[in-house]
Amino acid sequence: QTVVTQEPSFSVSPGETVTLTCGLSSGSVSTRNHPSWYQQTPGRAPRTLIYGTNIRSSGVPDRFSGSMLGDKAALTITGAQADDDSDYYCLLYVGSGIWVFGGGTKLTVL
Amino acid sequence: DVQLAESGGGLVQPGGSLRLSCAASGFTISNYWMGWVRQAPGKGLEWVANIKQDGSEKYYVDSVKGRFTISRDNAENSLFLQMNRLRAEDTAVYYCVRWQYISGWYSIDPWGQGTLVTVSS
Repeated sequence: QTVVTQEPSFSVSPGETVTLTCGLSSGSVSTRNHPSWYQQTPGRAPRTLIYGTNIRSSGVPDRFSGSMLGDKAALTITGAQADDDSDYYCLLYVGSGIWVFGGGTKLTVL
Repeated sequence: DVQLAESGGGLVQPGGSLRLSCAASGFTISNYWMGWVRQAPGKGLEWVANIKQDGSEKYYVDSVKGRFTISRDNAENSLFLQMNRLRAEDTAVYYCVRWQYISGWYSIDPWGQGTLVTVSS
């Protein structure tokens, strides 16, 4: 069973830069996994941030960027703001029509 | 405005059945893969199932195979999830999702607001 790994939590101060990562238990993440990232605040539906590894969804501030970092997909928030205090999930295609979410990273901005 | 609106959630006993519906507006679902994602209370997101534009391909997470069936009615612009033999661990908010395909990349956008399914005696 394929597991998608994310850091459980991160804490940053406003204005700092933070990079969250998304890995695969079975090996390296590549663009073939269609990496995408989603932001969710408590009690609300998720919001799409990044797709295709590094393409920002419509309306997403440019302080959010996606990339490949070694064998993982990465989400970088440059100059974190209080509004970015949320849960972040990555999603990967693992083949045979199956998609798997990472366990999520709880980002605290304080 | 592109929207997805789920309905059909509620309280059901273990072993029971429930059918979720999702009404799409602002776009035609026949052009898109559609799916369901769930989130158990206090837990992360879990992809549940996808269905191709014409319904010819369906995929499920292992934990629901043989119990859940995803279907669609393109004429009604609606998506469904028939859930049978429900277990306590199926308790979750169920989100209806559209799969967008842009520049060769798949992702979920938009998400519905979700409907809560509670499996308990």
